[in-house]
Order: sequence, then C-alpha cells, then structure tokens
Amino acid sequence: DVKVTQSSRYLVKRTGEKVFLECVQDMDHENMFWYRQDPGLGLRLIYFSYDVKMKEKGDIPEGYSVSREKKERFSLILESASTNQTSMYLCASSRTGSNTGELFFGEGSRLTVL
Amino acid sequence: GEDVEQSLFLSVREGDSSVINCTYTDSSSTYLYWYKQEPGAGLQLLTYIFSNMDMKQDQRLTVLLNKKDKHLSLRIADTQTGDSAIYFCAPASGGSYIPTFGRGTSLIVHP
Repeated sequence: DVKVTQSSRYLVKRTGEKVFLECVQDMDHENMFWYRQDPGLGLRLIYFSYDVKMKEKGDIPEGYSVSREKKERFSLILESASTNQTSMYLCASSRTGSNTGELFFGEGSRLTVL
Repeated sequence: GEDVEQSLFLSVREGDSSVINCTYTDSSSTYLYWYKQEPGAGLQLLTYIFSNMDMKQDQRLTVLLNKKDKHLSLRIADTQTGDSAIYFCAPASGGSYIPTFGRGTSLIVHP
C-alpha cells in the first residue's frame, strides 16, 4: 500500500524552539509539498519541491524553511516557533506531469506552540 | 493567483442527494479535483474532471463543470453517514498543475 508518512502526529513546543517536521514517501514521487490547515482557511501551500535539493515557495513561506536531501524525504523546519504557527501540517507527494495535482497526503502533524 | 470559494457547511439527511458547489477564478484551470478528508485523517483524492468535459460520473458521484461561469459542483447520490467529511475543491492551472484548495465544505449527514 502506497504511503506518505509523517513522523509525528502530535507535537507540543515552546515559543522560540526549533521544530522539525519530517515526511517520507515510498512511491518514488518527484514532487513533495507542505501545507498547513487551519479551520475556515482550508489548505495553504507553504513550500514544495520538484526534485532533490530543489524548493519553491508557496503562498505562505514566511517563518518556514524546508530541506530535501533525498527523493523520499521532505522536511519542514520552523527556525523559531511562534504561537501563530500552531496548526495542522500536511505533507503530500505526487508525480511530475499532468497528474501533478493528484496528491497523496500523510495523516498530518498537529503542532501546538505554547 | 487562483481564488477558490466554497460554502463552509452542508447538512443533509441520509438517503438524500448532496450538492457541494465551488467557484474559481483562473480560467486556465485544466484539472479540477475534489478531495475528501475524513475526521482525523489526511486528504484523499475523490475524483477529478478535465476542463474539456462538462460532466463526469463515477458511481454515486457526479461532477459538473461550467467553464463559462467557472463553477464546479460535486453531487453525491444516496448520501450515507459514512460520507460525512470535509470536501475540498482544488482546481489546478495548466502551468504548474499544482492545485489550489478551497476552504472546504463540511458535509454533515443526519440519520
């Protein structure tokens, strides 16, 4: 069964801490994405990557960075967590081409910043 | 960028049809997706339609596309309690093919 796995389902961090969210896919997909989901706002794209070591800013990249050192792994980094980054974070992957929009999602990581 | 609008809630009785509507702004959208999110889970692709189609039917699901009005709808026939979820409209432009998600419509099905 194909899978996108997010390392942590729930995290609680303090303001100012550095936070790593890890995502691994086993489908050999070229593209990987990080979204955040907030009630009433839907999904907003933070960053995406279409290849190893490549990254592109999404709609809300401020306060975040990403790393893609291997094809199967895409990490989201909060350098100094703030309370307004409390959210559900969703990782997704897809193939390149016209079916780029057919995203496979992980189950999400719920981050609370105190 | 693309703007995608959906109503936030829809409540129906079990056995009735549900219709979830979506409007979008980018006329170059070529693939228009519907995703479903069940409680406590990530999103999963439900169905999609190409921009050169008006309608697509897949078992209990019917997708209608009005390109002129940039209006997309998802109809679920014989709605069941297991259909209770959040449904996201997500058009993708012909340039990047990356979908832009609406806010999601919470479908509540009453027995």
